[in-house]
Amino acid sequence: RKEVEQDPGPFNVPEGATVAFNCTYSNSASQSFFWYRQDCRKEPKLLMSVYSSGNEDGRFTAQLNRASQYISLLIRDSKLSDSATYLCVVKANSGYSTLTFGKGTMLLVSP
Amino acid sequence: NAGVTQTPKFQVLKTGQSMTLQCAQDMNHEYMSWYRQDPGMGLRLIHYSVGAGITDQGEVPNGYNVSRSTTEDFPLRLLSAAPSQTSVYFCASSPSEDYGYTFGSGTRLTVV
Repeated sequence: RKEVEQDPGPFNVPEGATVAFNCTYSNSASQSFFWYRQDCRKEPKLLMSVYSSGNEDGRFTAQLNRASQYISLLIRDSKLSDSATYLCVVKANSGYSTLTFGKGTMLLVSP
Repeated sequence: NAGVTQTPKFQVLKTGQSMTLQCAQDMNHEYMSWYRQDPGMGLRLIHYSVGAGITDQGEVPNGYNVSRSTTEDFPLRLLSAAPSQTSVYFCASSPSEDYGYTFGSGTRLTVV
């Protein structure tokens, strides 16, 4: 089983749609979780951290289920500018080197 | 505020050549790292540093060297370039291991 697995993409949605990204991780000792966004041929940028209680930032909601080792990202009212690849990132409980990136899921929002 | 600056943005090398990818940050971050990104592989950690004078290997360190003589700079050296090192290289920094990373804009390297 891969350490961090994400939905294969791409996701094609119309503007205004709600889209959900799923991510599973294999290391039960993982402690920190993040969602990054990467535009085509650009660097990854931190979108949001994921907290145990779940967290929301505008149209974006992140959830964590430790029992199922599952993370999600929900985007409501999709915009054209949301088109990008979304990376799930997981960190184990100690050590700087243990940050693991998923391969990403591409989102394409169309007019 | 420049953030994380990488140079060069593009580079073509011949097999066997050596070169240094530069990375500098002006945020006084202690943690810096180098990743490579290949199609279908995701980001993989090459080397990292938790402070000046301290470096360690990541997931794919072979063929690369690093040093951290100052807080600001973290260069990545390719000792003898191979076609397998064709990739996009990203440098990243963070103030601590629990914070998100700030990435540089990347270096696209082609080894022929």
